[in-house]
Amino acid sequence: GQQLNQSPQSMFIQEGEDVSMNCTSSSIFNTWLWYKQDPGEGPVLLIALYKAGELTSNGRLTAQFGITRKDSFLNISASIPSDVGIYFCAGQWDSNYQLIWGAGTKLIIKP
Amino acid sequence: KAGVTQTPRYLIKTRGQQVTLSCSPISGHRSVSWYQQTPGQGLQFLFEYFSETQRNKGNFPGRFSGRQFSNSRSEMNVSTLELGDSALYLCASSSRGETQYFGPGTRLLVL
Repeated sequence: GQQLNQSPQSMFIQEGEDVSMNCTSSSIFNTWLWYKQDPGEGPVLLIALYKAGELTSNGRLTAQFGITRKDSFLNISASIPSDVGIYFCAGQWDSNYQLIWGAGTKLIIKP
Repeated sequence: KAGVTQTPRYLIKTRGQQVTLSCSPISGHRSVSWYQQTPGQGLQFLFEYFSETQRNKGNFPGRFSGRQFSNSRSEMNVSTLELGDSALYLCASSSRGETQYFGPGTRLLVL
């Protein structure tokens, strides 16, 4: 099925570094969502974006809804060990349609 | 509010058997979506139920089926299990038009 292009696929970072990841689509969306999944658990919603150009923060996390409505970005500032996990983006055209998911960005913190 | 619950959490079956997984959504949520997640993969959409009706369906064979009851609880059934069906099966619930909240998943191993 359709899938978003999410990059990078994985990231090795030092604690304290800032992290950036993004998702792009060939289709426009009216909603962009960012989730985080810890090992053995279901994804947890981090940030929801509903308007083109919107910039929303949740603690050290900031996400943006691209102005073209075909992309979204997630930034994590000053990473800490508990940021480790897989981050997924998801886009939705309308609430009557299914979410379209990226393949995930795996965040690993170097010891 | 209690979160999304899924039972069982872990399951081991053999090829050719069938399996039924259960999902209880957050109270008041009428939409339930099911996803399959294999190691290193994103979330593959199976189907969504809303008010006991299947509203959306992903690209999975007919061996995968589901249903939703009047109390919004949902079940997913996989018949004639294959080795490739080993995965984490996630259920997510939402109020119409709102974001999805995931359960912890059922990890299925097919031997």
